[in-house]
Amino acid sequence: GAGVSQSPSNKVTEKGKDVELRCDPISGHTALYWYRQSLGQGLEFLIYFQGNSAPDKSGLPSDRFSAERTGGSVSTLTIQRTQQEDSAVYLCASSLGPGDEQYFGPGTRLTVT
Amino acid sequence: QKEVEQNSGPLSVPEGAIASLNCTYSDRGSQSFFWYRQYSGKSPELIMSIYSNGDKEDGRFTAQLNKASQYVSLLIRDSQPSDSATYLCAQRGNAGKSTFGDGTTLTVKP
Repeated sequence: GAGVSQSPSNKVTEKGKDVELRCDPISGHTALYWYRQSLGQGLEFLIYFQGNSAPDKSGLPSDRFSAERTGGSVSTLTIQRTQQEDSAVYLCASSLGPGDEQYFGPGTRLTVT
Repeated sequence: QKEVEQNSGPLSVPEGAIASLNCTYSDRGSQSFFWYRQYSGKSPELIMSIYSNGDKEDGRFTAQLNKASQYVSLLIRDSQPSDSATYLCAQRGNAGKSTFGDGTTLTVKP
């Protein structure tokens, strides 16, 4: 079956602009996660959605970052007023249930100039 | 103290040898543990999951869990150059959120 998909694969934006990153999880997966990975670094947790529960936003680095998940499926991560330090690969993952094996999308490489 | 600790490496082994990757965790209540492999420029992919004390084998890979020592390891037998990658250890935490280690970089030399 289809895996996790993310779009765009690459995004170059100017400092101060807003960007939206999209994630389409595996069908039937109730949990969805967003991570950020800077070059040569580990995974930084951003936000976690589980079913209809309130999301765990504890990893969002600032109020410029927000995410939503519509209809329990597609998720959008929005970064407002982008800064150069936001440059990274943004990874989305989904799992069948909370804490199950996570399956990652290919990521969106964001470059802020 | 980080919730999940891994030696960053790099770990270098000759082709055909056993590679041993180690991970320690701080949450004694954690029940689920995962190993992911990440090739350079790619996203992580799941290799193994382990939930019970002891060994779990899948092909050339063996995961070992010791909850008393809060220790998880991954053994790769007959290492191949294609196994060269960064290996991430993860534990399931409260409410389903997983915590990842920073990864160990493995190089298998032909």
